Amino acid sequence: DGGITQSPKYLFRKEGQNVTLSCEQNLNHDAMYWYRQDPGQGLRLIYYSQIVNDFQKGDIAEGYSVSREKKESFPLTVTSAQKNPTAFYLCASSSPYGREPNTEAFFGQGTRLTVV
Amino acid sequence: AQTVTQSQPEMSVQEAETVTLSCTYDTSESDYYLFWYKQPPSRQMILVIRQEAYKQQNATENRFSVNFQKAAKSFSLKISDSQLGDAAMYFCAYLLGGGGSRLTFGEGTQLTVNP
Repeated sequence: DGGITQSPKYLFRKEGQNVTLSCEQNLNHDAMYWYRQDPGQGLRLIYYSQIVNDFQKGDIAEGYSVSREKKESFPLTVTSAQKNPTAFYLCASSSPYGREPNTEAFFGQGTRLTVV
Repeated sequence: AQTVTQSQPEMSVQEAETVTLSCTYDTSESDYYLFWYKQPPSRQMILVIRQEAYKQQNATENRFSVNFQKAAKSFSLKISDSQLGDAAMYFCAYLLGGGGSRLTFGEGTQLTVNP
C-alpha cells in the first residue's frame, strides 16, 4: 500500500542533543513538508521541498535542518539550537506539482518529541 | 505570501444538526486548491473535502459540502446531520497549483458534537 511513514512515533531527547525524525513516502510525490504542532494549536511549517536536493525554509525553521537526497525521504533534524523542541511533528507529501485531479496532501502519523 | 484564516477557534453543534465552519484566504493567484482536513484525537490528518479553484461548482462529499466564494476568497465547510464521530479539529488549507508552493494551513477550529 502506498503511504507516508514517520518514525519513531515517540521520541525522547536530552537537552543539548540533536535528534533526527524520519519521513518516508512511496507515493511518488515530489513535494514534502514538515510541520510542528503544539497542544491546541495549528500546523506551523518548518521546511518544505519541491524537488530532490532542494528545500525552502518555512515560518519556524530556526533550530531545524532537513535534507532531500532521495525523492522518497525527507528527514528532519531537531538541533540543540531549537529552544523549545517538545511538540508533535507531522510530515506530509503532495501530488507532483499540485496539478493532479485528485491533488491532496497525505500525512504521516506524526512523531511526538519530548525533551527530558 | 498566502495566508489562511479560520476565525472560529471553537464551535459546537447538536447531534443531527448542521454546522458551518468558516475559512478565508488571501492570494493573488488564480490556480490553486483548497482543502478541509479533520484531525481527531488520534492526530491523524484526514482529508474531508477538496476544491479546485478553477471549478465553479462547490465540492460535496456525502454530509460534507463547501461554499466556495472565489471573489470573496471564502471557503466554508458545512457538515449536515452531524455525528459524534465528526468531533475533531478541522483545518482549512491552501495549495498553489503548478508546484513550487508551500501548503498553508489555518489555525484550526475545534468542533464539539453534543449528544
